[in-house]
Amino acid sequence: NAGVTQTPKFQVLKTGQSMTLQCAQDMNHNSMYWYRQDPGMGLRLIYYSASEGTTDKGEVPNGYNVSRLNKREFSLRLESAAPSQTSVYFCASSVELQDLYNSPLHFGNGTRLTVT
Amino acid sequence: GIQVEQSPPDLILQEGANSTLRCNFSDSVNNLQWFHQNPWGQLINLFYIPSGTKQNGRLSATTVATERYSLLYISSSQTTDSGVYFCAVGAKPGSARQLTFGSGTQLTVLP
Repeated sequence: NAGVTQTPKFQVLKTGQSMTLQCAQDMNHNSMYWYRQDPGMGLRLIYYSASEGTTDKGEVPNGYNVSRLNKREFSLRLESAAPSQTSVYFCASSVELQDLYNSPLHFGNGTRLTVT
Repeated sequence: GIQVEQSPPDLILQEGANSTLRCNFSDSVNNLQWFHQNPWGQLINLFYIPSGTKQNGRLSATTVATERYSLLYISSSQTTDSGVYFCAVGAKPGSARQLTFGSGTQLTVLP
């Protein structure tokens, strides 16, 4: 199993450019997430999708949009990149059935994005 | 929201030594997970452990929910154990949407 696959691994953008980060999971998980990781800030949730067709804002959603294309795929779009969006982005997924007491979070390998 | 504090922030060990990493949290939790981020940036889930004790090879974890802390034990450490160890906590069982991540413990294992 590939688990959670993210593309691209690295990206450099100029301020104002747009791009989409792709994420796919093959574990038949219900929920998917986008996080950003910044030095000294830990991991912060940008958006999540509890199931196909639903998306909700996390802690830091401004400047981002998401699409849950189907159960496998969850993309993150930057419409007009800003230097403050320079970060490492992680996609994650989990089974997340209601009140399931064993629903570990599985991460992709990350995308290192630099906005100049 | 729930506050999470990890200690120590940095730890340097010789290969073969044992270590204990701590995660304190400020409120009741029903979701607690430990992760290892290796030097290449990959995040691996080690344990889902809102209470009790689990073991996986040289790693084990114990969460004492009533006293609001969790411990991650690494025995006979190896250089491949180097990296950052994060705990993440949340109030809702099985749900990652409310997880709060700690700032991590940076572990360096020297050969």
